[in-house]
Amino acid sequence: QVQLVESGGGVVQPGWSLRLSCAASGFTFRSYGMHWVRQAPGKGLQWVAVIWYDGSEKYHAQSVEGRYTISRDNSKNMLYLQMSSLTVEDTGVYYCARSLAEWKHPRYYYYGMDVWGQGTTVTVSS
Amino acid sequence: QSALTQPASVSGSPGQSITISCIGTSSDVGGYGYVSWYQQYPGKAPKLMIYQVTNRPSGVSNRFSGSKSGNTASLTISGLQAEDEADYYCSSYTSSSHVIFGGGTKLTVL
Repeated sequence: QVQLVESGGGVVQPGWSLRLSCAASGFTFRSYGMHWVRQAPGKGLQWVAVIWYDGSEKYHAQSVEGRYTISRDNSKNMLYLQMSSLTVEDTGVYYCARSLAEWKHPRYYYYGMDVWGQGTTVTVSS
Repeated sequence: QSALTQPASVSGSPGQSITISCIGTSSDVGGYGYVSWYQQYPGKAPKLMIYQVTNRPSGVSNRFSGSKSGNTASLTISGLQAEDEADYYCSSYTSSSHVIFGGGTKLTVL
């Protein structure tokens, strides 16, 4: 079945780095763009980053630009999120999600996230 | 960029209809037909309910419908059921090739 499984979360101190992983199965991973979305405790959803199906384009939210990097390995059906200079504001559940998108030259337009993982929890605390 | 604006809470009785609004700008909701809606139960991952403003994924009840006028998108749930009690989030593509979510709306079925 179509599935996304996140891993790599944990408890870290401010300033530390962490890499999250998302294993995809049950669909042709290399054909889909992928997102990371996070949710702070008791708060709403916050988009973090997107990567195109082939990794050629990446976009990050302003709040994480320069600290986070999204990447993928299509040969392994894996999505990653490298996080550095973590602060307490980065605490939350991180989800990976499959992107629905359509191509209108010269870019993809994402119009939904139809498959989500169960999330992995990141806690930044001193 | 600030989140899309949603009411913090809405409520309705079983069988009634409710509408959740999602207010954006011409750089997101108003500029594109790429609004989506998600349902989230506590402790669970979000679920896609509506995409491209009006489309329902396979398996989503036809009691859920979406629309858009100008910079405001809306989700309507008709024939409210107890199982509809959840948090709902709108989302839109933006002019900077990003995605923006609304702040979320807690739906209570009375």
